[in-house]
Amino acid sequence: QQQVKQSPQSLIVQKGGIPIINCAYENTAFDYFPWYQQFPGKGPALLIAIRPDVSEKKEGRFTISFNKSAKQFSLHIMDSQPGDSATYFCAASKFGGSEKLVFGKGTKLTVNP
Amino acid sequence: KAGVTQTPRYLIKTRGQQVTLSCSPISGHRSVSWYQQTPGQGLQFLFEYFSETQRNKGNFPGRFSGRQFSNSRSEMNVSTLELGDSALYLCASSLLVAGGQETQYFGPGTRLLVL
Repeated sequence: QQQVKQSPQSLIVQKGGIPIINCAYENTAFDYFPWYQQFPGKGPALLIAIRPDVSEKKEGRFTISFNKSAKQFSLHIMDSQPGDSATYFCAASKFGGSEKLVFGKGTKLTVNP
Repeated sequence: KAGVTQTPRYLIKTRGQQVTLSCSPISGHRSVSWYQQTPGQGLQFLFEYFSETQRNKGNFPGRFSGRQFSNSRSEMNVSTLELGDSALYLCASSLLVAGGQETQYFGPGTRLLVL
């Protein structure tokens, strides 16, 4: 049972474009939603995270939008650069505890020069 | 601080063999989690150890086991390897901040190929 559904599987944009990656979750007990970025040959690295008490969070060029009623959240990358080319994973868990992260299946983003 | 280190980085085994992977967490981190990453299934949680005790376990068969030592280093073992065990095995360490969230820091992974 996949608890976090992520789309699209792959995404190609031009430099300066705004790729959007979407995730939907099922478990209403989830209240912590991080995004991870993974480059080839590396482990995932935390990019940005959000909790349900806010609808949007920005960190640099990365923005998370959160819709609690729809149980959906998305990542927007403003002014995307070729260096942003990586695989992005959304995840969900309960905040503050030892609950494991449940990951989406990932989106491979390619930003063309 | 040094990051999470995993050894070996690459491993080739044959079916039926067993394998042991090692993970050294970031200094001061007492929680270590293991994940399996495959193209088809993505990142799947294997188990988590905290202070030498298994605290959480994912839905993997008993062939997958782990342990944690007093210095927080962790090992995972896979016995009777199957072709489907070929994957990138990731270790993540975390530090719980009071009133905050455990942030998981991942190592580079061990790439296991089962022939």
